[in-house]
Amino acid sequence: GAVVSQHPSWVICKSGTSVKIECRSLDFQATTMFWYRQFPKQSLMLMATSNEGSKATYEQGVEKDKFLINHASLTLSTLTVTSAHPEDSSFYICSARKEGQGPIQYFGAGTRLSVL
Amino acid sequence: SQQGEEDPQALSIQEGENATMNCSYKTSINNLQWYRQNSGRGLVHLILIRSNEREKHSGRLRVTLDTSKKSSSLLITASRAADTASYFCATSRSGGGADGLTFGKGTHLIIQP
Repeated sequence: GAVVSQHPSWVICKSGTSVKIECRSLDFQATTMFWYRQFPKQSLMLMATSNEGSKATYEQGVEKDKFLINHASLTLSTLTVTSAHPEDSSFYICSARKEGQGPIQYFGAGTRLSVL
Repeated sequence: SQQGEEDPQALSIQEGENATMNCSYKTSINNLQWYRQNSGRGLVHLILIRSNEREKHSGRLRVTLDTSKKSSSLLITASRAADTASYFCATSRSGGGADGLTFGKGTHLIIQP
């Protein structure tokens, strides 16, 4: 199997605070994880690629200082939304690649962030 | 930026009927994938078709790929209520998967019992 766990599934925070989202590969090691953002009734947009032991690669237009990504181990990547504002409210989804399975990605269940 | 455009954006059919969704993309690809997303959840990989393949089957799923037209279709046969979900095509910049995926806008499929 290839299970990816994402936590929390839902978080409400006040404007100006920071929120950390965890993404774990439970039964495999993932050298590469990805973070996506999805607005209601829209598609997923890639935010960044997270590589274990190195700095994340951010997509154009994504603020790296606002969306801090850390991939400290082969099974854990975290996304921290710093100084969150209402416009950061969205559905954040992580995914991971499993070695030997090419471009297939395994997704977490997502985190719904609401910033008040 | 969005690579693919799904067509239709929404589709409602009766249980037991076949559902066909189309996807177009803009750049050259090594492969194309289809994913399913149940409401408010993550995505589940359905099927991958390589650029040198024209058709692929997996259970009730049939995927076609026309690289000359830069389009793909997903057919779900004998639909079930549990097939109700959003379906996305996805491509990647590299064939090996080191890059993230670029998703189409998706087709929201509703299966009426």
